[in-house]
Amino acid sequence: GNSVTQMEGPVTLSEEAFLTINCTYTATGYPSLFWYVQYPGEGLQLLLKATKADDKGSNKGFEATYRKETTSFHLEKGSVQVSDSAVYFCALSPPGNQFYFGTGTSLTVIP
Amino acid sequence: DTGVSQDPRHKITKRGQNVTFRCDPISEHNRLYWYRQTLGQGPEFLTYFQNEAQLEKSRLLSDRFSAERPKGSFSTLEIQRTEQGDSAMYLCASSPLGDEQFFGPGTRLTVL
Repeated sequence: GNSVTQMEGPVTLSEEAFLTINCTYTATGYPSLFWYVQYPGEGLQLLLKATKADDKGSNKGFEATYRKETTSFHLEKGSVQVSDSAVYFCALSPPGNQFYFGTGTSLTVIP
Repeated sequence: DTGVSQDPRHKITKRGQNVTFRCDPISEHNRLYWYRQTLGQGPEFLTYFQNEAQLEKSRLLSDRFSAERPKGSFSTLEIQRTEQGDSAMYLCASSPLGDEQFFGPGTRLTVL
């Protein structure tokens, strides 16, 4: 079956610290992988995606690489800002199909 | 393009009442999805449509839940005889025939 396991939170970091949020998955076939972000009071927004093995998705300084051998899609950012405080969701989707989400990781960045 | 919209944003109801939520997808998006999100959890898939056809509904939580997309544009999600356990955020997403989904702001349901 399809599922996503995401690093538990909450995570608290100081501004300019390095961020890693771990995500591993199980899937049938060849899914696409996504990171969505949910800012306080707002809806889910796509942060980045990767559609095949070894692809790297990147956006706003965040990166994640689709690792088929380790079934992982870890989210990283070299230097977080206060404005990055949000809940981050890892998700997978067989092509054209529903999304399977992780439980979310809450990130708080303090000045 | 104003994105996916949902109405109402908040709904408070008494146990046993029926509620209906509306979702307006991004125009020309063929696929429309409904999800439920409870506190501290990721969104949980409920059902989806391609145009007006409901292609998957086995994940609807019970027979009290139903969804329609009569003209292949907006969609409604109805919950009959609401229970306190139905309290959650109900999310709608739309997608062209591809893999990225665009989410609306959600409808927060509180059942008293």
